[in-house]
This record gives sequence, C-alpha cells and structure tokens, in this order.
Amino acid sequence: DIVLTQTPLSSPVTLGQPASISCRSSQSLEHTNGNTYLSWLQQRPGQPPRLLIDKISNRFSGVPDRFSGGGAKTDFTLKISRVEPEDVGVYYCMQTTQFPHTFGQGTRLEIE
Amino acid sequence: EVQLVESGGGLVQPGRSLRLSCTGFGLIFENYAISWFRQAPGKGLEWVGFIRMKAYGGTTEYAASVKGRFTISRDDSNGIAYLQMSSLEPEDTAIYYCSREYDIFHRGYDPWGQGTLVIVSS
Repeated sequence: DIVLTQTPLSSPVTLGQPASISCRSSQSLEHTNGNTYLSWLQQRPGQPPRLLIDKISNRFSGVPDRFSGGGAKTDFTLKISRVEPEDVGVYYCMQTTQFPHTFGQGTRLEIE
Repeated sequence: EVQLVESGGGLVQPGRSLRLSCTGFGLIFENYAISWFRQAPGKGLEWVGFIRMKAYGGTTEYAASVKGRFTISRDDSNGIAYLQMSSLEPEDTAIYYCSREYDIFHRGYDPWGQGTLVIVSS
C-alpha cells in the first residue's frame, strides 16, 4: 500500500500569514496514464471532509484562490497564501492513483 | 445541488451485522463511482471500499481491514449505494461517510455526506 506522510502534523499560524503542508508518498503517484491523482481535503471541526484540490493542483469549484497545490511524483505541497479564520481544521492529502486509496495522517491548522 | 446522505448507523454488538445506505440527490447516480470512508473517534480518514459505475462493470474494491466482511452494492434506479457490514468488531466503530468520484479524469471525491455513526460495543 502507498503510505502518505504529512508534515507538519500541527501548524500554528498567524492570521494573514502563509501556511504550507507537505505530503510525501512512499512511491510515485504517477499513474500509467500519465496523470497523478493526489488530492487535498479540508475538514473543519465537526464537519465532513471537503475537497479542495485534486490532480495535484486543480482547485475544485468554489475553493478560494488562496489555496494552491503543487508537486510531482512523490512530493506534494498545499499552500495557503493568507490564512483566514475559516481555514482552521485538519488537512489531509489523499491518493487515488491506486487501490487501496490512502490518506496522510492529517495536519491540524491552528491560529496562533 | 448535489447531496449524498448516509443513514443506517447505530449501536450494534460485536459479531453482528449492519447495513448503511448512501442516498444521492441532485445527480444521475448511475454515472458515478462511489466510495465509502470512515473516521474513528478522534482519528484520521480511512478509505473502506469503492464501487464502479455499472458502465465499468459495477465491480468493487475493498480495504484489507474489511475485505471479506463488508460488501458494497448499488441500486441506481433508486440512487442508493449500500455498505453491508458483517462480523463487526469494536475497531469498526467510526463515522462512515460516502462520497462520489466526481469525474474519472480527476478522481477527486465530492461531495461528502454528513456521515453516519456506527458504534460496535456490547
């Protein structure tokens, strides 16, 4: 199974400042079709997960443009350009390149 | 607005069975693959299993932790996907979510339902 490792596991940030989360995969997430199926999800307290980004950098409909994703092969990053109060929650990377789908452990974003 | 609504959770004794439903609203259900996920209390997300569209055979995939105990099926005429859980263990206690693979080109999952809580305890 593909193991996704997120760092940091907790990220205290100041409102208006940037934040960055890393997701490292135990093997390349590039599919034989050339696509890389790495998603980022946000889970606010008491809420179900919400898709932010898929295919590394495709921002999903309705997601603010302060969220961006990047990377390739085994190393991926989620960036928030300016943290807002509503960004508090846990962020997960997820790979859907192969079964079983797997998640990172989650990164808790907290406001300092 | 596309919505998925899970139901069927509750308290169940170890070794017993339970069936969860995932009902879709605002979408042509047969056009989407569906996954089930779970989240144990205070823990991270775990993928449970997947069912393809009938157009792709309607076949299923499962996590090793549930293979042989859980079965996913779908009733496209009623817009429902099911998660049949048997031989339940306390470790299966979790909120269970369903979500659709919104398109085969991106393989992202949206939306997610609110979840249904399953507690396995004597």
